[in-house]
Amino acid sequence: GENVEQHPSTLSVQEGDSAVIKCTYSDSASNYFPWYKQELGKRPQLIIDIRSNVGEKKDQRIAVTLNKTAKHFSLHITETQPEDSAVYFCAASNPDGGSQGNLIFGKGTKLSVKP
Amino acid sequence: DAGITQSPRHKVTETGTPVTLRCHQTENHRYMYWYRQDPGHGLRLIHYSYGVKDTDKGEVSDGYSVSRSKTEDFLLTLESATSSQTSVYFCAASLPGTVYEQYFGPGTRLTVT
Repeated sequence: GENVEQHPSTLSVQEGDSAVIKCTYSDSASNYFPWYKQELGKRPQLIIDIRSNVGEKKDQRIAVTLNKTAKHFSLHITETQPEDSAVYFCAASNPDGGSQGNLIFGKGTKLSVKP
Repeated sequence: DAGITQSPRHKVTETGTPVTLRCHQTENHRYMYWYRQDPGHGLRLIHYSYGVKDTDKGEVSDGYSVSRSKTEDFLLTLESATSSQTSVYFCAASLPGTVYEQYFGPGTRLTVT
């Protein structure tokens, strides 16, 4: 089955710097890759996603890149702000397969943005 | 929040007792999911449903059962709770017409003593 590895497990940056979180996946059939942000005590919230027919997607200060050949994808946050501090999870799935779109998650990255 | 609520939000129970957690949604989501979240493990799928009375197992289904007798409710049951089932449980649902975007409920913190 699918396996998703996420690095680093913790990341500390200064406000205004960029942050990059990387994930690798094992199943070449996976074609949907969402990213979730979870603040302390809150639910995971979908912040951006990418499908395998594109290599990059941007939404204001957030971008995700996908390398299908290498089976890895990354989250990029530019001009970080203290409110970006949270745990970020990547995930992979194959919604067109037999698993009904079940997400396999990485173990998370705790991002701390220091003022 | 995609109209997803969970009850109870917090529960403390004793080992060996049955526990049922409820996920309720108001937006006609077809696909619904139960996950557990534990430190160091991220989110892991327990069971999922792709329609009324249609359910299947996820990667950590042992000790859990589910039922979905109507579209809006997806129940997770721990038949005989164990301390290893102490966790935060999240329900999620996909938007109607898609299995892509999943949105999560607020979570239930379960402690088994």
